[in-house]
Amino acid sequence: QVQLQESGPGLVKPSQTLSLTCTVSGGSISSDTYYWSWIRQHPGKGLEWVGFIYYSGSTYYNPSLKSRVTISVDTSNNQFSLNLNSVTAADTAVYYCARTVTTPPYFDYWGQGTLVTVSS
Amino acid sequence: QSALTQPPSASGSPGQSVTISCTGTSSDVGGYNYVSWYQQHPGKAPKLMIYEVTKRPSGVPDRFSGSKSGNTASLTVSGLRAEDEATYYCNSYAGNTNYVFGTGTEVTVL
Repeated sequence: QVQLQESGPGLVKPSQTLSLTCTVSGGSISSDTYYWSWIRQHPGKGLEWVGFIYYSGSTYYNPSLKSRVTISVDTSNNQFSLNLNSVTAADTAVYYCARTVTTPPYFDYWGQGTLVTVSS
Repeated sequence: QSALTQPPSASGSPGQSVTISCTGTSSDVGGYNYVSWYQQHPGKAPKLMIYEVTKRPSGVPDRFSGSKSGNTASLTVSGLRAEDEATYYCNSYAGNTNYVFGTGTEVTVL
């Protein structure tokens, strides 16, 4: 059974960089069948796809966040990471990592989510 | 990329059926058979219920079914049970390796 677990600071100051890591267990992040995604949910709001990465390092980002987002992968530790720079209060959200089947595309396993608050 | 449009709420009595719509455009829902649906209970992570418009993952009851017509996809929950009370989100591929979620529908079991 695949499991994903997010980790990282729960509080980030405005204008700084939000950094989260997702550790994958029960399966290899190097599989060619999956992308590895970040999805966020603003408090009391809907879901927003942030972007994903393939094990090779190819990345795909939500156009609305593309200028501020970087996703990277560490295959040796079965982890992938999210960096979101120049954060504001509008980036306060629960951040989920999820395994994403490439074709057909869907998100089949999710982490429990981690709340990141942007505040001074 | 705008979020797909879902009704804010839907309800039904135990044993009844409820259908949730998810309306997009020809660039997302109407353009691809890549609609998926997710169930989210409060404080929990979303759970995949339907993928590729009509397919159910292993373990999802056959009370859950999906369909699509034109730019609108639908999720039907038949034989409503108390545990079906949750918020449901649709998601669609939107081309150019982009994905868009729906606004979410809160289902209440009366």
